[in-house]
Amino acid sequence: QMQLVESGGGVVQPGRSLRLSCAASGFTFRTYAMHWVRQVPGRGLEWVAFIPYDGGYTNKYYADSVKGRFTISRDNSKSTVDLQMDGLRVEDTAIYYCARGQRISEAFRKLDVWGKGTTVSVSS
Amino acid sequence: EIVLTQSPGTLSLSPGERATLSCRARQSLSSTYLAWYQQKPGQAPRLLIFGASNRATGIPDRFSGSGSGTDFTLTITRLEPEDSAVYYCQQYGSSLLTFGGGTKVEIK
Repeated sequence: QMQLVESGGGVVQPGRSLRLSCAASGFTFRTYAMHWVRQVPGRGLEWVAFIPYDGGYTNKYYADSVKGRFTISRDNSKSTVDLQMDGLRVEDTAIYYCARGQRISEAFRKLDVWGKGTTVSVSS
Repeated sequence: EIVLTQSPGTLSLSPGERATLSCRARQSLSSTYLAWYQQKPGQAPRLLIFGASNRATGIPDRFSGSGSGTDFTLTITRLEPEDSAVYYCQQYGSSLLTFGGGTKVEIK
């Protein structure tokens, strides 16, 4: 059974850092790109970051709203993908979802497996 | 960045009726990169349609996608109470991924 489980959320003050982690199981993790997506409760979905299957020998990408503050990384030996969030702002408060992207050489761009999310609250 | 506009904002229909949801892109995009998701309260999104018209695994054939270029449609025939949810379209282009604002489907 394919599964993604996020962890690391919590309450943090503006300007501080937080590291989210996502543990994958039930599929060959190293062959899939991965994404982070966030959602303010009651609002829409916002894509945050992308990392290719090889962890960055090709490009990683970020939403403009987090570029320069957030860093996505992965450990294929542990089947995990992390999101390091520095310089947090009140507007970063959201539920953060980890999602599976496309397989190696797959043309379709879709997020077909999602975790349940972890909540980040940035408040003074 | 490609902006996706979804309409209507809310759709209120009775069981058995047909729902037609629109997703319009500000510039033409490849159908390969257009997907639809369903999200129920308190749950993560679920992939419904990818490549504009391909149903994801386990998705009932009541759900169908169509369209090309800048106009895409998600159709739900024979609405059931469990179809009450927010539906999002998503595109992937120029190495950036964006979602539409969502359409809420209410079942009367």
